Amino acid sequence: EAGVAQSPRYKIIEKRQSVAFWCNPISGHATLYWYQQILGQGPKLLIQFQNNGVVDDSQLPKDRFSAERLKGVDSTLKIQPAKLEDSAVYLCASSLDRREGLYEQYFGPGTRLTVT
Amino acid sequence: GNSVTQMEGPVTLSEEAFLTINCTYTATGYPSLFWYVQYPGEGLQLLLKATKADDKGSNKGFEATYRKETTSFHLEKGSVQVSDSAVYFCALKKTGGFKTIFGAGTRLFVKA
Repeated sequence: EAGVAQSPRYKIIEKRQSVAFWCNPISGHATLYWYQQILGQGPKLLIQFQNNGVVDDSQLPKDRFSAERLKGVDSTLKIQPAKLEDSAVYLCASSLDRREGLYEQYFGPGTRLTVT
Repeated sequence: GNSVTQMEGPVTLSEEAFLTINCTYTATGYPSLFWYVQYPGEGLQLLLKATKADDKGSNKGFEATYRKETTSFHLEKGSVQVSDSAVYFCALKKTGGFKTIFGAGTRLFVKA
């Protein structure tokens, strides 16, 4: 079974530029998560999708970050414009569902973003 | 609010040494508790979990016991290997909730 795929693996941009990350979850997984992992910290949930609907985006900086999951499969996370403090690893994860017993998350390798 | 506190790293051990990584949590109710491992260049993987008090999660020689009285979920392994070198994250999820809260992670180095 293929795992969670993410691209690109690395990205370097200047502040105020835009960037987009792509995630392809495990086939059949209804729930998709985007996390931000700043160096030395644990992952922080940015947004959670159930199929193609957003169920939690309480920690997403909506003035600059946006995400979508069209057709309930692939997802993209965008930052526009980027700030220095956005330098982090962006992790995508998926799970069969949100419900008890089905919420084990499988993580992709992440995209390391450096903003200069 | 809900939070997880882990011992700071890095932890450096020799091969075959005993490992303990401390984890304590703050949460209302009865959360589920997890340990995730992140090997270099890879995403996080679930290592073990426990869903109620006194449960013991185990996998690949690692163990952790859900201690409600001390709000702890310490990770242990009797004999570490070089291949165990990684970052270990303790995490919790409230029962009925949909968000996983992660600790800051503890980096483990095992020397041959």
